[in-house]
Amino acid sequence: EPEVTQTPSHQVTQMGQEVILRCVPISNHLYFYWYRQILGQKVEFLVSFYNNEISEKSEIFDDQFSVERPDGSNFTLKIRSTKLEDSAMYFCASSEAGVPLAHKPQHFGDGTRLSIL
Amino acid sequence: AQTVTQSQPEMSVQEAETVTLSCTYDTSENNYYLFWYKQPPSRQMILVIRQEAYKQQNATENRFSVNFQKAAKSFSLKISDSQLGDTAMYFCAFMHGSSNTGKLIFGQGTTLQVKP
Repeated sequence: EPEVTQTPSHQVTQMGQEVILRCVPISNHLYFYWYRQILGQKVEFLVSFYNNEISEKSEIFDDQFSVERPDGSNFTLKIRSTKLEDSAMYFCASSEAGVPLAHKPQHFGDGTRLSIL
Repeated sequence: AQTVTQSQPEMSVQEAETVTLSCTYDTSENNYYLFWYKQPPSRQMILVIRQEAYKQQNATENRFSVNFQKAAKSFSLKISDSQLGDTAMYFCAFMHGSSNTGKLIFGQGTTLQVKP
């Protein structure tokens, strides 16, 4: 069964550095998402992406964050200048398009654990 | 704003027994969907079950069923005949019915341990 894959599984970065988290969604999916989970807290929506543009973003997704689908297969999350509070597990997900979208299950990757030092 | 609350951080159940995980939510909308996701120790989250708010009938998927109480804004998950492979973190989630962005709003999660 096709899977969403994320790399790396663990990223350690110095505060203030830029980091790029990579995701390969399922090939026929058209909606892409990033969520994050700070240790011990709930999974939080960051952004959804469709048709090469952001369709919705949360308050967390400020100017430090950006997403891109650079080559038609990868979907990346960039954090420009990392802060200690960005330490979390970041999950990528993808889904088919459809109406209603709720009928199209989101498929999640294993996550990237981001540790900011 | 919509919120989802899971008040049981941890639960355990003996293999083959039944367990119920609780979830409450808050919304002023009438059209929405509720989900239960399972996140096993290997970390990949998978969809367990979906409930449409406009349907009165509770959703079932094999050993998994829900008790959807719309007026009480309650959405519990019942796992029958628990198996060791059911050990995981379970998340309750909400989505607007008319959502064209797919945003899921998650609860805090409940860690379920199935004991042999």
